[in-house]
Amino acid sequence: EAQVTQNPRYLITVTGKKLTVTCSQNMNHEYMSWYRQDPGLGLRQIYYSMNVEVTDKGDVPEGYKVSRKEKRNFPLILESPSPNQTSLYFCASSFRQGGTDTQYFGPGTRLTVL
Amino acid sequence: DQQVKQNSPSLSVQEGRISILNCDYTNSMFDYFLWYKKYPAEGPTFLISISSIKDKNEDGRFTVFLNKSAKHLSLHIVPSQPGDSAVYFCAASAAYRTDSWGKLQFGAGTQVVVTP
Repeated sequence: EAQVTQNPRYLITVTGKKLTVTCSQNMNHEYMSWYRQDPGLGLRQIYYSMNVEVTDKGDVPEGYKVSRKEKRNFPLILESPSPNQTSLYFCASSFRQGGTDTQYFGPGTRLTVL
Repeated sequence: DQQVKQNSPSLSVQEGRISILNCDYTNSMFDYFLWYKKYPAEGPTFLISISSIKDKNEDGRFTVFLNKSAKHLSLHIVPSQPGDSAVYFCAASAAYRTDSWGKLQFGAGTQVVVTP
């Protein structure tokens, strides 16, 4: 089954404790992205990756890191989480086909930073 | 500054009637537009899209209209069904024109409730 998986689905942590949210896709997609969803703001892109070892900042990259060592995986790293990073996070992947850019989303990770 | 705006946070409609969701954008470089549907505790799922070379795209009960001069698009759901109750996000991309693939701009979403 074609899918994007994220782990963990739920995470409660404390300020300053490094964490990683994993993302994996089995569709051989070139593009992968991380978004956060906050009330009234919709989904905002954190980082995206065009291919292995190629990443770029989205609209809200501060406080986050990413890496793309393999095509299928795109982990999101919070080296020193703060309460304002409490949010719902989504990973997505897509492939380039003509003029389209349809992204497929994972189920989400709800993060609470105390 | 949000480049994609959905000004109606919620919409209530009776089963069988038409749901109309609106979306406005400010960036004239956007050339591809999408609608996503999201249920609680799930990720957004792709619903329908439209390229800037078209002004209408239809898929079953869902039709998206694009008015480039007004920088406005809308999603029509006819007839509305209880299973359509969800949050709908409008999204836009400038992928083809700017080669900025992988960058989507989303609106804030509209919560649709379809009542029996």
